[in-house]
Amino acid sequence: AQTVTQSQPEMSVQEAETVTLSCTYDTSESDYYLFWYKQPPSRQMILVIRQEAYKQQNATENRFSVNFQKAAKSFSLKISDSQLGDAAMYFCALPGDTPLVFGKGTRLSVIA
Amino acid sequence: DAGITQSPRHKVTETGTPVTLRCHQTENHRYMYWYRQDPGHGLRLIHYSYGVKDTDKGEVSDGYSVSRSKTEDFLLTLESATSSQTSVYFCAISEGSSSGGSTQYFGPGTRLLVL
Repeated sequence: AQTVTQSQPEMSVQEAETVTLSCTYDTSESDYYLFWYKQPPSRQMILVIRQEAYKQQNATENRFSVNFQKAAKSFSLKISDSQLGDAAMYFCALPGDTPLVFGKGTRLSVIA
Repeated sequence: DAGITQSPRHKVTETGTPVTLRCHQTENHRYMYWYRQDPGHGLRLIHYSYGVKDTDKGEVSDGYSVSRSKTEDFLLTLESATSSQTSVYFCAISEGSSSGGSTQYFGPGTRLLVL
């Protein structure tokens, strides 16, 4: 069965600095997708970024980028120039035996 | 934003009573999902649907049933609510399967308290 592990329950970052959230996973599939979702205090789940495993290039969306290392089964999220609005829970997710398997999340605080 | 609404948004009920949560979409997406979110557990899938009248169980389906008689509506029923079902429930939709790369879009959530 597929598993997703987020080893950092909480992290903090100074405004305008860069932070990296880690995610490791396990799957027997050779081709798959990985997702990062953000859940701000409003509770709305929002897609941050998506990576296709067969693509060598790391996905980027504005200030958000991933460091995808397929062999190591690692999918970390880098947030550059952190803003107060980035404060949220972040979840890593992977399709598995059920449509999406989520990690337990990392709570990110942004310090002004 | 994807057109997904959930009703009710908040509900307080008593143990043993039936509860139905409704998810409504205006996107005509094929797939619909019900998750629950609890502290320390992330999101866990309860049931999902891959078409009208086509449903399957998720990771935590015991005590829950679903129905989908129309593309736009996906109902989650707790036949006899228990305190362990106190949670925040999220509906999600996707055009295709997640294994095929389709993004799931989430509704605003329903907070359910079972006393």
